[in-house]
Amino acid sequence: SQQGEEDPQALSIQEGENATMNCSYKTSINNLQWYRQNSGRGLVHLILIRSNEREKHSGRLRVTLDTSKKSSSLLITASRAADTASYFCATDAEDYKLSFGAGTTVTVRA
Amino acid sequence: KAGVTQTPRYLIKTRGQQVTLSCSPISGHRSVSWYQQTPGQGLQFLFEYFSETQRNKGNFPGRFSGRQFSNSRSEMNVSTLELGDSALYLCASSLELTYEQYFGPGTRLTVT
Repeated sequence: SQQGEEDPQALSIQEGENATMNCSYKTSINNLQWYRQNSGRGLVHLILIRSNEREKHSGRLRVTLDTSKKSSSLLITASRAADTASYFCATDAEDYKLSFGAGTTVTVRA
Repeated sequence: KAGVTQTPRYLIKTRGQQVTLSCSPISGHRSVSWYQQTPGQGLQFLFEYFSETQRNKGNFPGRFSGRQFSNSRSEMNVSTLELGDSALYLCASSLELTYEQYFGPGTRLTVT
């Protein structure tokens, strides 16, 4: 089974609204990463948060990490049509192996 | 800096055949990972190479193999193709596996 699980599976929002998705994982990690994938293409790295960090920002992205609950959230503020994509969290719980969750599909409506 | 390149981009093969996919990492990156992505199973880790050594392998049968050359370029091979091997195969490179991964555009393999 996958280490990370995203919630919700799908999200539809209006342009300008915020989008929040969550990732839960099972075992201790060194860091957690978020990636974006536009339809059928390669993944693009968004942000990496280390296990000793609680929050990180990058542009319109805000990531939080709660190691006690083994969960992370990704917030996209003021969404745009270009944010329509699938978002994945990835964890490094196992040596030399990144495990990806099933992803959250975000649709931003104009 | 040139990104990660994968060749070919699209491939159609018949059951029972074998296939070799190629990945050229970003210059200076020594870690190369391979993933299989399907609608049903999502992104599944295949293996990771670092300085020509396989450091970890996912839960795939022995028909899936790979290697890395001294210039960090990597290939993966799938023998005796099955219909279920139809997928998007993604390659990613990084300075170290747990760092930011740079993904290639993928190879779309269709097995008929």
